[in-house]
Amino acid sequence: QQQVKQSPQSLIVQKGGISIINCAYENTAFDYFPWYQQFPGKGPALLIAIRPDVSEKKEGRFTISFNKSAKQFSLHIMDSQPGDSATYFCAASAPDDYKLSFGAGTTVTVRA
Amino acid sequence: KAGVTQTPRYLIKTRGQQVTLSCSPISGHRSVSWYQQTPGQGLQFLFEYFSETQRNKGNFPGRFSGRQFSNSRSEMNVSTLELGDSALYLCASSRDLSGANVLTFGAGSRLTVL
Repeated sequence: QQQVKQSPQSLIVQKGGISIINCAYENTAFDYFPWYQQFPGKGPALLIAIRPDVSEKKEGRFTISFNKSAKQFSLHIMDSQPGDSATYFCAASAPDDYKLSFGAGTTVTVRA
Repeated sequence: KAGVTQTPRYLIKTRGQQVTLSCSPISGHRSVSWYQQTPGQGLQFLFEYFSETQRNKGNFPGRFSGRQFSNSRSEMNVSTLELGDSALYLCASSRDLSGANVLTFGAGSRLTVL
């Protein structure tokens, strides 16, 4: 079963708008939470990652918000651009687990 | 710097056949992981190899196997193919054992089973 639940499955946003993708997990051993971005015909690429000792991390227009007590984290894409149209995957891993557990993915479409 | 190279990019097989997929990691990366990507299940972990040893295995049947060579290149094999094996198979490399390390993915091998 999916250890990381991701929503929504897809979303459409206007250029300049904010895209928000949410993920939830149950395994309290998870201590690393990356987000990957995938364009059609390409493999996923690391976008941004966070550890549970911080509640927010920002890199350019991309921000991760992390709520340890709720076991939830989310990706915010500010000022969304058509070039951001892609599938986004949240993921998590536990120490010494040597694998990532991925969410099901969210397809983001940014309309010009 | 060359990325992760997967071959072949596309292949079509029939049920019951077997297939071998190849992955060349980034130079200097010692760990190779394999993931299966399908529309319904997302990315599912298959296995990870480090220093020619399988370090972790996902919840897949024994028909799925892999190996890593001394130059860190890896292959995965699927025997007795089933229709449900149709998927994009992604290889990822990292400098050390994955988990909290950055995974660099290849473009994948898209397998269609008829």
